[in-house]
Amino acid sequence: SNVLTQPPSVSVAPGKTARVTCGGNDIGSKSVHWYQQKPGQAPVLVIYNDSDRPSGIPERFSGSNSGNTATLTISRVEAGDEADYYCQVWESTTDHPEVFGGGTKLTVL
Amino acid sequence: QVQLQESGPGLVKPSETLSLTCTVSGDSISSHYWSWIRQPPGKGLEWIGYIYYSESTNYNPSLKSRVTISVDTSKNQFSLNLNSVTAADTAVYYCARGVLAFPTVYFDDWGQGTLVTVSS
Repeated sequence: SNVLTQPPSVSVAPGKTARVTCGGNDIGSKSVHWYQQKPGQAPVLVIYNDSDRPSGIPERFSGSNSGNTATLTISRVEAGDEADYYCQVWESTTDHPEVFGGGTKLTVL
Repeated sequence: QVQLQESGPGLVKPSETLSLTCTVSGDSISSHYWSWIRQPPGKGLEWIGYIYYSESTNYNPSLKSRVTISVDTSKNQFSLNLNSVTAADTAVYYCARGVLAFPTVYFDDWGQGTLVTVSS
């Protein structure tokens, strides 16, 4: 099964750019999705299919995916962006298609 | 707008069966990949399984022997049964809508989650 590796934590100052990575073998050949989860709340989809944003998600959120690393980029970080972020892929060829990364805690300094 | 709402007991005894229901409004249960995902306290997300097109299922291999997901189209609900529970099954359980964007699936709507504690 596919294993997705995320750094446990990322810290960034307000107004700066945060990058959260998701590593996996040849992840660039798969579609990667990203979720934001604030304490006590359900996850919210912020990026799908590597770089598409659902309606209502600010343009500050963007995604990229190449080689063995997918990246969620948050520009002009705000205090309200502090949350856990999870990447997810779907491996249709296996019997365990859905895989989540371990999550990254984004701290806004 | 799609809404999902989990319901069921918040406390289950060890060795018994955990049963939850997700009521869906704003969309038909007959399409999409309706999924259960859980999150143990302080930990990450774990996919449990899904049912799609009202009849086909797929489960996490680590839980497969204990899990059943079913659907009631008349009520626009789908359900989770997890038997022989232990303390390790204590978690917040989410239901979610999986959208197929071939060949991938992503989860665009989630319930608020319900905490299930396994304890005697």
